[in-house]
Amino acid sequence: AQSVAQPEDQVNVAEGNPLTVKCTYSVSGNPYLFWYVQYPNRGLQFLLKYITGDNLVKGSYGFEAEFNKSQTSFHLKKPSALVSDSALYFCAVRDETGGFKTIFGAGTRLFVKA
Amino acid sequence: GAVVSQHPSWVICKSGTSVKIECRSLDFQATTMFWYRQFPKQSLMLMATSNEGSKATYEQGVEKDKFLINHASLTLSTLTVTSAHPEDSSFYICSAYEMGVNTEAFFGQGTRLTVV
Repeated sequence: AQSVAQPEDQVNVAEGNPLTVKCTYSVSGNPYLFWYVQYPNRGLQFLLKYITGDNLVKGSYGFEAEFNKSQTSFHLKKPSALVSDSALYFCAVRDETGGFKTIFGAGTRLFVKA
Repeated sequence: GAVVSQHPSWVICKSGTSVKIECRSLDFQATTMFWYRQFPKQSLMLMATSNEGSKATYEQGVEKDKFLINHASLTLSTLTVTSAHPEDSSFYICSAYEMGVNTEAFFGQGTRLTVV
């Protein structure tokens, strides 16, 4: 069975500093990995994905994520945080054999302080 | 990118009544749609998977008679919460894929259901 872990409920960072939101996963086959962001009372917005290829994936709004197969991790990063990045971030995984069923992590709330 | 529209954005209903939530793919054919439920400050819980023209597949613990899902066309899926109770109050979100075209899901904006 596939699963996703986001070990931090909350991440606090000062504006202008780099940020990292952690994610580890478990799947039986090759993983398809995703990051989404959610603003209050809104649906999820897609940020980036890893399917295959380069381990460093670049996405929307300056975010990037690094796929590490040996550590089964897919941490989200941004070199310089903005106050407007404050939101709820979800890591998600889909097993290539799982028929498009996507499992989400518990979410990490990011606070960026001015 | 692909757009998924969910309607209504919020709804208040009385206990015992039924509520229908619509999820539409506006610019692609959604061969597969998913319905999630999100409790405050929690993650998304997958409720069911629906494929166009076939019965929905419900996750364990989700009452299929209470949460009726219909996916009659390639652009529309509906979730009907029947005989709603206050404990059904939640944020419901749909997502959609076009098989063979998309690798990521596209999400609707969500529906806040409050049962009074």
